[in-house]
Amino acid sequence: NAGVTQTPKFQVLKTGQSMTLQCAQDMNHNSMYWYRQDPGMGLRLIYYSASEGTTDKGEVPNGYNVSRLNKREFSLRLESAAPSQTSVYFCASSRLRALSYEQYFGPGTRLTVT
Amino acid sequence: AQRVTQPEKLLSVFKGAPVELKCNYSYSGSPELFWYVQYSRQRLQLLLRHISRESIKGFTADLNKGETSFHLKKPFAQEEDSAMYYCALWAGGTSYGKLTFGQGTILTVHP
Repeated sequence: NAGVTQTPKFQVLKTGQSMTLQCAQDMNHNSMYWYRQDPGMGLRLIYYSASEGTTDKGEVPNGYNVSRLNKREFSLRLESAAPSQTSVYFCASSRLRALSYEQYFGPGTRLTVT
Repeated sequence: AQRVTQPEKLLSVFKGAPVELKCNYSYSGSPELFWYVQYSRQRLQLLLRHISRESIKGFTADLNKGETSFHLKKPFAQEEDSAMYYCALWAGGTSYGKLTFGQGTILTVHP
């Protein structure tokens, strides 16, 4: 049981390049999320998927797109990377437990855009 | 919209001293509050939730609706408590588990 996995762990892009961050979970969770972590800003929600086949914007969706490929996988795409997207990206999934949600996080992807 | 504020970016204490990490929130409804922790080179993980009224690793947190606070406390800090701590809020209902996080507090416990 690997939990939530993310690839790649590190990536350096040039401005204008595109890339896709991959996320998968093996816990049979319905909901999945993408966050970015920046110093002094905490974690901010980029997009989420309440269930397979649905996606919705979070707090900071501009410059990103997502795909919920199936129940296990939720990818994040940067179409034209910008230096402002330099950040650590976390994927998470959640389950309902005791009338509340518990989120499980991946190890993160550290992205640098030059 | 909901908001979570952690006023301290950095907090340093000595081993054995009490520690309190502050968290204030604003939300018009009845929220669920959580503390998440990220140890060095580890992934973010749930520490405790207010609905469970539990003590994890000696930490407790009480939801004070009057002061809209959910401060994390431990009477005797240990060096292994050094980590980044995030307070988070779930608005409930159809928000599908979406969390609003505070800015985080880096706790350092000195020997």
